[in-house]
Amino acid sequence: DAKTTQPNSMESNEEEPVHLPCNHSTISGTDYIHWYRQLPSQGPEYVIHGLTSNVNNRMASLAIAEDRKSSTLILHRATLRDAAVYYCILRDPHSGYALNFGKGTSLLVTP
Amino acid sequence: GAGVSQSPSNKVTEKGKDVELRCDPISGHTALYWYRQSLGQGLEFLIYFQGNSAPDKSGLPSDRFSAERTGGSVSTLTIQRTQQEDSAVYLCASSLLRELADTQYFGPGTRLTVL
Repeated sequence: DAKTTQPNSMESNEEEPVHLPCNHSTISGTDYIHWYRQLPSQGPEYVIHGLTSNVNNRMASLAIAEDRKSSTLILHRATLRDAAVYYCILRDPHSGYALNFGKGTSLLVTP
Repeated sequence: GAGVSQSPSNKVTEKGKDVELRCDPISGHTALYWYRQSLGQGLEFLIYFQGNSAPDKSGLPSDRFSAERTGGSVSTLTIQRTQQEDSAVYLCASSLLRELADTQYFGPGTRLTVL
C-alpha cells in the first residue's frame, strides 16, 4: 500500500491561511489523493481530491507537487469550525475501495 | 437531501450480548461501507458492499462480526457475544460509484459501549 505521512498536529490563528502537508513518496500513477476531515464527535466528511492538477472547491484548495510525492491542503481563511482531524488518503486500486485512514493531522484554530 | 443515517446513536450493552447496528445509506448509492473507530484510534475498515456483488469482508476482526444489506439499501451490522474491546464508534458510509475518485458520505456513527 502507498502510505501517507502527516504531522500529528498543527495550530493556526483564526482567519489566517492554513497549509496542511502530506507526504506520499510511494504513490503510484493511478492513485487519487483524497482529503477528509473529522470534526469532534462527528463522522468524517469529504474535503477535496485530485490526481495530478491542483484543485479548488468551496472548502479548500489542493496543491499537488509535480512529482506527486507530496500534496498540501490549503484552507484559505481558517475558522473555529475548521478545527478537526484532517486525513490525507490515497485511493489504491490494489487495496480495494475502502478508505485507509491514518492518524491524520489534528488542527487547532485559536481566536 | 437526506444524508446517511445510523441507529441507534448510542448503545450500551453487557458483555456477551448480541447487538445490531443499522445504517440507512443515501438513496441511490450502490456502495456501502462499515468502519469503526476505537477511542483515540484511527478509522478501521470492516466491510463493504457494492451492488449485488459479494461483500468484501476482509476487515472484519472476528467471526462474531457479520453484516448484511437488504435490497441494496439498508444495512445491519451484527456483533455477537460482545466483548469490551468491541467498544467503539461504528461508522457507516455510502457512495454512488465504486471508483477511486468516488466520494464517501459518512453517517454520524453509533457509539457502542460494552460493559
